[in-house]
Amino acid sequence: GAGVSQSPSNKVTEKGKDVELRCDPISGHTALYWYRQSLGQGLEFLIYFQGNSAPDKSGLPSDRFSAERTGGSVSTLTIQRTQQEDSAVYLCASSSGLAGGQETQYFGPGTRLLVL
Amino acid sequence: GDSVTQMEGPVTLSEEAFLTINCTYTATGYPSLFWYVQYPGEGLQLLLKATKADDKGSNKGFEATYRKETTSFHLEKGSVQVSDSAVYFCAPTNTGNQFYFGTGTSLTVIP
Repeated sequence: GAGVSQSPSNKVTEKGKDVELRCDPISGHTALYWYRQSLGQGLEFLIYFQGNSAPDKSGLPSDRFSAERTGGSVSTLTIQRTQQEDSAVYLCASSSGLAGGQETQYFGPGTRLLVL
Repeated sequence: GDSVTQMEGPVTLSEEAFLTINCTYTATGYPSLFWYVQYPGEGLQLLLKATKADDKGSNKGFEATYRKETTSFHLEKGSVQVSDSAVYFCAPTNTGNQFYFGTGTSLTVIP
């Protein structure tokens, strides 16, 4: 079946512009996760959705970052007024949600963001 | 809060050498433990997992045992191959709203 998809695969933007990153989870997965992977770094957790709800937004790096999920499916990560330090690969993952988050996560291919 | 400490890389081994990548964690409650792998040019994928104490996860010749007493989940393989060259991430996963991955260990296996 279809895996997690993300779009765009690559995004180049100018400093100060807003960007939207999209994630389509595996059908039926209620849990959805966003991470950031900077060059040579590990995975930085950003936010977790169970259904349409994100109980804890403290992982978002600043108030320029926001995320939403609608219909328990597609999620959008928005970065406003992008800065060069936002350049990274943004990964989305989904899981069944049946074990309170303790399930295998299935990752998308990522969106590579470059802020000039 | 929860955290994970993973052996830093990069690690370079000759083919057929023994591999150990250490992972220790701190967590409240009873996490499930995962190793994920990222092959060059590919996305992250599950390598193996264990959900309770003394469980051994295994896949593709890799093994890791859930050691609750030492809060560890070390990854091992008896004889690595060139195709095992990748970045390996340890991830103790608890119920809750935040999720932690290790910093990743880059492995290069040379023929």
